[in-house]
Order: sequence, then structure tokens, then C-alpha cells
Amino acid sequence: EAQVTQNPRYLITVTGKKLTVTCSQNMNHEYMSWYRQDPGLGLRQIYYSMNVEVTDKGDVPEGYKVSRKEKRNFPLILESPSPNQTSLYFCASSSTFPGQAIIANSPLHFGNGTRLTVT
Amino acid sequence: AQKVTQAQTEISVVEKEDVTLDCVYETRDTTYYLFWYKQPPSGELVFLIRRNSFDEQNEISGRYSWNFQKSTSSFNFTITASQVVDSAVYFCALLNQAGTALIFGKGTTLSVSS
Repeated sequence: EAQVTQNPRYLITVTGKKLTVTCSQNMNHEYMSWYRQDPGLGLRQIYYSMNVEVTDKGDVPEGYKVSRKEKRNFPLILESPSPNQTSLYFCASSSTFPGQAIIANSPLHFGNGTRLTVT
Repeated sequence: AQKVTQAQTEISVVEKEDVTLDCVYETRDTTYYLFWYKQPPSGELVFLIRRNSFDEQNEISGRYSWNFQKSTSSFNFTITASQVVDSAVYFCALLNQAGTALIFGKGTTLSVSS
């Protein structure tokens, strides 16, 4: 089954304790991205990756790191989490760069989300 | 600047009522792409529709229909004969100019009671 898998689904941690949220897709997609969802703000992009070893900042990258060492995985790293990073996080992937994906008739596939609480 | 506005924060209806969720977008591009996603209580994001700016035909899919009006920069979503299973948060989104991200509205929470 084609899917984007995030782990964990729920995570409670304390300020300053490094954590990683994993994201893996089995569709051989080139494009992957991370969003965070906050009440009253909708979803905002954190980082995206067009392909292996190619990553770039989205709208809210502060406090986050990503890596894309292989096509299927795109982990989100919080080196020193703070309470303002408490949020619902979504990973997404697409067969091509979203602009091209439209033409190729391939919408963004989202994972099921990771609810992170930083105390 | 590009922006998506969903002015309705919450809507409550009774089953079988029709309901329209409003979406107004801002962009200077002549070619652009709009989306609707559904987020049920379980939390996942479900793709509903994609519409490009050069296709102004309205779309119907079962009880769902979408009205795209360039003249008013709106891409409204109507659910006919709503059901309890339609209860969810609905997001309208616009592909950004670079084609690298979706710009989401703040979402509209729809509650359908029986």
C-alpha cells in the first residue's frame, strides 16, 4: 500500500531534549516536506526537499533541522525543543516537485501526523 | 503576496442540510492551483480536489461540489445533504508561486449533528 509513514504518532518531551520525528514513503517520491499545524494558523511549511541531499527552508524553519540522505526518508530533527514547538506535524510527499506534480496529476500525500508536546 | 482566507472558523449544521464553506484567495499569478483537504477527527489530511486557474468549470463529486469564480477570487466548497461523517476540519490551499509548498487557510471546522 502506498503511504507516508510518520513515527511516533504522539510524543511528549521536555524542553531541550533532542528528538527526531521520522518520515518514510514507499512511493519512490522525489519531493518531501514537513508542515506544522497550529490552532487558528492552519498548516505552515517547515522544510522541503526536492531530492536526495537537496533541502530548503519553508516558512517556519527556526528550531528545526532536516536531512535527506536517501529518497524514502526525511526525518525532522529538533535539536533543543521548546514549548512553542508543541504542535501537530505532518510529513508529505509527491512524485515530483509540487508545481510539476500538478501537471503530472499527483497531489501531495500526507502522513497521519505526529502530535508533539514539549513541556 | 499569496494568501488564503477561510473566514468561517466554525459551522454547525443538522444532518441533511446543505452547507457551503467559503475560500477566498489572493495571488498575482495568472496560472495558479487551488486545493481542498479534509481533516477528520482522526487527524489525517485527505485530499479532496485540485483546480487550476484556467479551468473554470465547476466540479461535482457525489454530494460534494466546488464553485470556482476567478472574478471574486473564490473557490467555495458545498456539501449537499450533509452527514455526520462530514464532520471535520476543511482546509483550502493555494500552491505557492515557486511551486514548493501549499499555502493553507486557517481551516473551517464543520460539525454535523444528527
